[in-house]
Amino acid sequence: KAGVTQTPRYLIKTRGQQVTLSCSPISGHRSVSWYQQTPGQGLQFLFEYFSETQRNKGNFPGRFSGRQFSNSRSEMNVSTLELGDSALYLCASSLVTSLDEQYFGPGTRLTVT
Amino acid sequence: QKEVEQNSGPLSVPEGAIASLNCTYSDRGSQSFFWYRQYSGKSPELIMSIYSNGDKEDGRFTAQLNKASQYVSLLIRDSQPSDSATYLCAVQPSQGGSEKLVFGKGTKLTVNP
Repeated sequence: KAGVTQTPRYLIKTRGQQVTLSCSPISGHRSVSWYQQTPGQGLQFLFEYFSETQRNKGNFPGRFSGRQFSNSRSEMNVSTLELGDSALYLCASSLVTSLDEQYFGPGTRLTVT
Repeated sequence: QKEVEQNSGPLSVPEGAIASLNCTYSDRGSQSFFWYRQYSGKSPELIMSIYSNGDKEDGRFTAQLNKASQYVSLLIRDSQPSDSATYLCAVQPSQGGSEKLVFGKGTKLTVNP
């Protein structure tokens, strides 16, 4: 079974631009969560989508948004990029069961200059 | 603010020894607990999940959970140089929380040949 895939793997943007990242979950997984990882803050939860609806949201500004499509694929968007948005953005998928084990994709490394 | 605390390390053990990694969490209602391994430059990989008090063994790995003490640990027996990585403890908060998973900042483990 194929794992979680994320595109693009690397991205360089300038301040003020916007960016869209894509995630395809493991086949059969219906929940997709997004995380930001930085050396200083570690792994921080952005949001979770299930059945095309945002189910949970972390403590990030409104510049960070996402959506999920009917095939469970998800995108996240960051508008008006700031230098501090430079990070590894990770997508994780899970079955919607009581176990809720999450499996991560390879991540998108975003650099804002 | 739900928190997960880990010793940042680095933790250094000789090859063949037992490595012990510890984690405490603040949300007493937490139900699901996970250990992830992250190699440098890679995404987190799920290695253990535990849901009830006691020990859970999988090969060389043993996860231990004590909900009364709000403590979860990971033991790695017969440590190998390939186990050198950062180990992340993750906790799923109690129902009604806004976050999917809360991560500790990780413990860096080095296994010396």
